[in-house]
Amino acid sequence: AQSVAQPEDQVNVAEGNPLTVKCTYSVSGNPYLFWYVQYPNRGLQFLLKYITGDNLVKGSYGFEAEFNKSQTSFHLKKPSALVSDSALYFCAVRDRGSTLGRLYFGRGTQLTVWP
Amino acid sequence: DADVTQTPRNRITKTGKRIMLECSQTKGHDRMYWYRQDPGLGLRLIYYSFDVKDINKGEISDGYSVSRQAQAKFSLSLESAIPNQTALYFCATSDPGPGSNEQFFGPGTRLTVL
Repeated sequence: AQSVAQPEDQVNVAEGNPLTVKCTYSVSGNPYLFWYVQYPNRGLQFLLKYITGDNLVKGSYGFEAEFNKSQTSFHLKKPSALVSDSALYFCAVRDRGSTLGRLYFGRGTQLTVWP
Repeated sequence: DADVTQTPRNRITKTGKRIMLECSQTKGHDRMYWYRQDPGLGLRLIYYSFDVKDINKGEISDGYSVSRQAQAKFSLSLESAIPNQTALYFCATSDPGPGSNEQFFGPGTRLTVL
């Protein structure tokens, strides 16, 4: 079974501070991992993905994520948060060996960056 | 122009009515998906289609049906809407080629069933 857990419903951080949004996953094989962001009244936008290789993945808007196979985690990070980063963030996983290609999403984490 | 479009963007309807939500894409992708989003539950897959002749149920297909009219069009129908189908509905597409195949989402349809 494939699943994604985002243990925090909300993350609050001050502008200029580093932020982390946590994600752990479960797949039967090796994973492809994704982060998406949803701004109010908008669809989901792709941020970054882990395919293979370097465990630190860099994405849009200064975000990065670190793949940790032993901890089955893929936490989203940013060194210095902006108020405009406030949004709903979703982690997703796909089993690399699956031909179905469907994604499994976490429940989302609401990030609030206060001035 | 947006790559993935959804119509309508908002819809209010009554219990028992039949509703169709439409999705069109210009990305040339074969794979299309319908999700619903509920607060605290994330995105749940309703149906997905890997080409015009291929339709598959997702995890919450009961009460829904779909039609893949063309590569670019994928419609979701609620045959007899009920209040617990009130949600935000998203269409998505992806490329079936080799690689990790991230999905691209439409802007969503907010459906309210009274």
